[in-house]
Amino acid sequence: QKEVEQNSGPLSVPEGAIASLNCTYSDRGSQSFFWYRQYSGKSPELIMSIYSNGDKEDGRFTAQLNKASQYVSLLIRDSQPSDSATYLCAVIRSQGAQKLVFGQGTRLTINP
Amino acid sequence: GAGVSQSPSNKVTEKGKDVELRCDPISGHTALYWYRQRLGQGLEFLIYFQGNSAPDKSGLPSDRFSAERTGESVSTLTIQRTQQEDSAVYLCASSLIGGASEQFFGPGTRLTVL
Repeated sequence: QKEVEQNSGPLSVPEGAIASLNCTYSDRGSQSFFWYRQYSGKSPELIMSIYSNGDKEDGRFTAQLNKASQYVSLLIRDSQPSDSATYLCAVIRSQGAQKLVFGQGTRLTINP
Repeated sequence: GAGVSQSPSNKVTEKGKDVELRCDPISGHTALYWYRQRLGQGLEFLIYFQGNSAPDKSGLPSDRFSAERTGESVSTLTIQRTQQEDSAVYLCASSLIGGASEQFFGPGTRLTVL
């Protein structure tokens, strides 16, 4: 089982709709979760961090965390073509090296 | 303010040569990380520096890889006797205090070993 799992996609969403990206993780003790956006040929860009159960909203983005289910998601409202990118879920382990463990990413395409 | 910077942006080298990659973290950030991303793959952790503590080298793939950091400033990643499988984008990130704090990435160095 991978430490952080994401559906690789591609996920296609019409412009203006809500895009929903999902991630599960195996380390039950993890406390810190991050979503990064990576455009093709570019480095990852931090979108959201979330540490507590529930929802966290920032503009068109909402991160949702459910530690009991070991599940974290990212919702993008009013999707725009510029949101087309690969979205990486990352988790910091509860023990050992304080490093980010990344999922493989979900490729999102917003169709005009 | 200035973000994480890396140099060179691209490096082409011949198999067997040594290369040195540089990272300048965000000013004031005490933690610095190196990652590798092969084409079409996810990010792999390589090494982590936190202040004056001994670095966490648990992700270095072989003894050909080494990294240094002077205080809380510049870091260099050195790959000796490069191999074709070393071809990847090498990404540096920094965070304010390490641990669970947010990491911000530089633009990366694309290494191609011929």
